[in-house]
Amino acid sequence: AQSVTQLGSHVSVSEGALVLLRCNYSSSVPPYLFWYVQYPNQGLQLLLKYTSAATLVKGINGFEAEFKKSETSFHLTKPSAHMSDAAEYFCAVSPSGANNLFFGTGTRLTVIP
Amino acid sequence: GAGVSQSPSNKVTEKGKDVELRCDPISGHTALYWYRQSLGQGLEFLIYFQGNSAPDKSGLPSDRFSAERTGGSVSTLTIQRTQQEDSAVYLCASSLYSGGAETQYFGPGTRLLVL
Repeated sequence: AQSVTQLGSHVSVSEGALVLLRCNYSSSVPPYLFWYVQYPNQGLQLLLKYTSAATLVKGINGFEAEFKKSETSFHLTKPSAHMSDAAEYFCAVSPSGANNLFFGTGTRLTVIP
Repeated sequence: GAGVSQSPSNKVTEKGKDVELRCDPISGHTALYWYRQSLGQGLEFLIYFQGNSAPDKSGLPSDRFSAERTGGSVSTLTIQRTQQEDSAVYLCASSLYSGGAETQYFGPGTRLLVL
């Protein structure tokens, strides 16, 4: 069965500091990988996705993620946190042949001024 | 353009009552998905529609849950004889085509509270 693990349900960073949100997946075949962001009382918005092209994927709002097959990871980073980045972030996978997404449990990012 | 819309935004019901949740996907999107977001279970897939094909119901938690998609557009998720554990945010998403690489666009959700 597919699973996605997000290490750290809560992450706090200072404004201007590096943001690193971790995601590991379990699959023998590299799946498609996604990062979504959810602001309070809103739906999920796609930040970026990996679809077997470039391993370093750039997304919106200055975020990027690197697919590392050897580590089965797809960690999300941003060089400098902004107050507006405070939200919940979900990593998701779509296994080969599947149509639906399997989500991690989410990481709530707090940005300290 | 307009995104995915869902109604109602909030629904409070009594245990044992039936509820219907509505989803209007992005115009032209052929695939539609329902997910449930709850404190205990996180984000779970419920059901998937693609065009006129039979839906993938593999995520529905019980036979009290059903969904339909009329005319390849609007979808309704029905929960019969609601239970307190059904309390959650129900999210609808649509994508232009089916396939794992497709971006799913999510609606704002319907927050269901079963008393």
